[in-house]
Amino acid sequence: EPEVTQTPSHQVTQMGQEVILRCVPISNHLYFYWYRQILGQKVEFLVSFYNNEISEKSEIFDDQFSVERPDGSNFTLKIRSTKLEDSAMYFCASSPDTRRTEAFFGQGTRLTVV
Amino acid sequence: QQQVKQSPQSLIVQKGGISIINCAYENTAFDYFPWYQQFPGKGPALLIAIRPDVSEKKEGRFTISFNKSAKQFSLHIMDSQPGDSATYFCAASNTGGGNKLTFGTGTQLKVEL
Repeated sequence: EPEVTQTPSHQVTQMGQEVILRCVPISNHLYFYWYRQILGQKVEFLVSFYNNEISEKSEIFDDQFSVERPDGSNFTLKIRSTKLEDSAMYFCASSPDTRRTEAFFGQGTRLTVV
Repeated sequence: QQQVKQSPQSLIVQKGGISIINCAYENTAFDYFPWYQQFPGKGPALLIAIRPDVSEKKEGRFTISFNKSAKQFSLHIMDSQPGDSATYFCAASNTGGGNKLTFGTGTQLKVEL
């Protein structure tokens, strides 16, 4: 069964450092998303991406965040200068198209900022 | 207006019992209501979803009940099993507005033998 894959599974970084979280969405999907989940809290939307551009972003997704689809298969989330409060589980998700709304989530990357 | 409120926060059910989790929303533009199941250390997995044109959807032991006028929907897990022990999130989206999911706060379900 196709699945969304994310790497790495766990990333530890120093405060102020840049991190790149990587995702390979399901191959025929057109919509891509990043969500995050602070430990013990709900899943929060960060950004959606369609047709090589951001279609929507939340208040959390400020200038220190960026997304990119560098090739036909990868989808990345970059955090430029990490803060302690960026520590969370980051989930990538993808959806087939606008008519099918099911979002399929990856296993997540646990980001720990120290 | 974008919030989805979920209750209870935690739930303990005996094996074979019925687990019921409730959600309420405010945004009348929401038109897609999925439930996700999450095991520790894993990503949310789509369990079942409903659109507001039906009042109930059943898939195996899982049923969504939807009350459009009350802006509420609920998940019923029949014959609950220990393997159902997980965190359950309701969510909602406006499919005409980009499919962004707004999640509830989650319910930790424990099914005891």
